[in-house]
Amino acid sequence: GAGVSQSPSNKVTEKGKDVELRCDPISGHTALYWYRQSLGQGLEFLIYFQGNSAPDKSGLPSDRFSAERTGGSVSTLTIQRTQQEDSAVYLCASSLARYPGETQYFGPGTRLLVL
Amino acid sequence: DQQVKQNSPSLSVQEGRISILNCDYTNSMFDYFLWYKKYPAEGPTFLISISSIKDKNEDGRFTVFLNKSAKHLSLHIVPSQPGDSAVYFCAASNNAGNMLTFGGGTRLMVKP
Repeated sequence: GAGVSQSPSNKVTEKGKDVELRCDPISGHTALYWYRQSLGQGLEFLIYFQGNSAPDKSGLPSDRFSAERTGGSVSTLTIQRTQQEDSAVYLCASSLARYPGETQYFGPGTRLLVL
Repeated sequence: DQQVKQNSPSLSVQEGRISILNCDYTNSMFDYFLWYKKYPAEGPTFLISISSIKDKNEDGRFTVFLNKSAKHLSLHIVPSQPGDSAVYFCAASNNAGNMLTFGGGTRLMVKP
């Protein structure tokens, strides 16, 4: 079956604009995760969904960031009033989450550049 | 405060030799540890994992060793191949398993 897909693959935007990033998880995966990787940094956790609910939003860096997941499948990460420090690769992962530590499968990422 | 650290940003190894990538963690609540490999412009791909009840897990050329008392794990690749050249991330999860905490990555270069 298909892996995790993300769109767009690249996004260039101007400071102050809103952006939406989309993630299609592997079919049947109940858990969905958003991470970001800033230049030269490791991966930073943003938010986690189990089904449609987000029990852990602890990683969202500010209230400009929000995410939703509908139908237990597709998720959208929205960044409002983008800032230059939001420039990063945004990665989505999904998992069956049958047990703690189960493998998360990553998409190719969306490269966001805020000018 | 970095809970997972990979202190070597890069490592260069000759083809056929052993590559050893190291990872240290500070959170004693971590129970599961995973290694991911990342090529440029791609998402990380899962490589191998280990539970805290084990001290070694082996899969082909890849072996992960866990030393809980030292809060240290390592990934051994033997023999190393040029196709192994990538950035390797160590990640950890606690028993709730809701998120992975990643290290900063080590860039491995395997020279032919």
